[in-house]
Amino acid sequence: GESVGLHLPTLSVQEGDNSIINCAYSNSASDYFIWYKQESGKGPQFIIDIRSNMDKRQGQRVTVLLNKTVKHLSLQIAATQPGDSAVYFCAENTPSGYALNFGKGTSLLVTP
Amino acid sequence: DARVTQTPRDKVTEMGQEVTMRCQPILGHNTVFWYRQTMMQGLELLAYFRNRAPLDDSGMPKDRFSAEMPDATLATLKIQPSEPRDSAVYFCASGLGGGPQHFGDGTRLSIL
Repeated sequence: GESVGLHLPTLSVQEGDNSIINCAYSNSASDYFIWYKQESGKGPQFIIDIRSNMDKRQGQRVTVLLNKTVKHLSLQIAATQPGDSAVYFCAENTPSGYALNFGKGTSLLVTP
Repeated sequence: DARVTQTPRDKVTEMGQEVTMRCQPILGHNTVFWYRQTMMQGLELLAYFRNRAPLDDSGMPKDRFSAEMPDATLATLKIQPSEPRDSAVYFCASGLGGGPQHFGDGTRLSIL
């Protein structure tokens, strides 16, 4: 029979445009958040993280925004490139402080 | 760049067989995690260790799965007996606790 899998939300952007990937987290007590990029056949790769005492953090071409009031996290990628095509996961720490709870992921497709 | 190393990269075996997956965490990291990724469930935490001591294995089916850290450079995940529903990609990650986890490229397991 047909297999049913996770239907990932997909964001399609043109090369050179900016991308914004959104994530809602569940636990208001979480104080550490992280974004990962996963390419086909590889493990999740750390992109950027942020602690709850900040609302914005910038890296190289990436910015993470944290809105604790509405429990929302976003990842902005500037000047998106074909190599940015991947699945992006947000994660929040668990009450133990060590483990992470991962979201379901967003597929980013960059078109020329 | 230091990396988490997982072996084997791929494993195909028949149901009922024992499967052992190995992970070499990044040198100096004191927290090691095992995850399973499937299309249906996404990334699920199975178990994790801190300073080689198991902290949480509540995500793991305990009747057939076992996770150990014989030493600081080796973590193992065993399935005995394996079943077709165990087919998935198994990831190991390591970190310093409270910070980003760094993932290996996974073991792709197929149980026939």
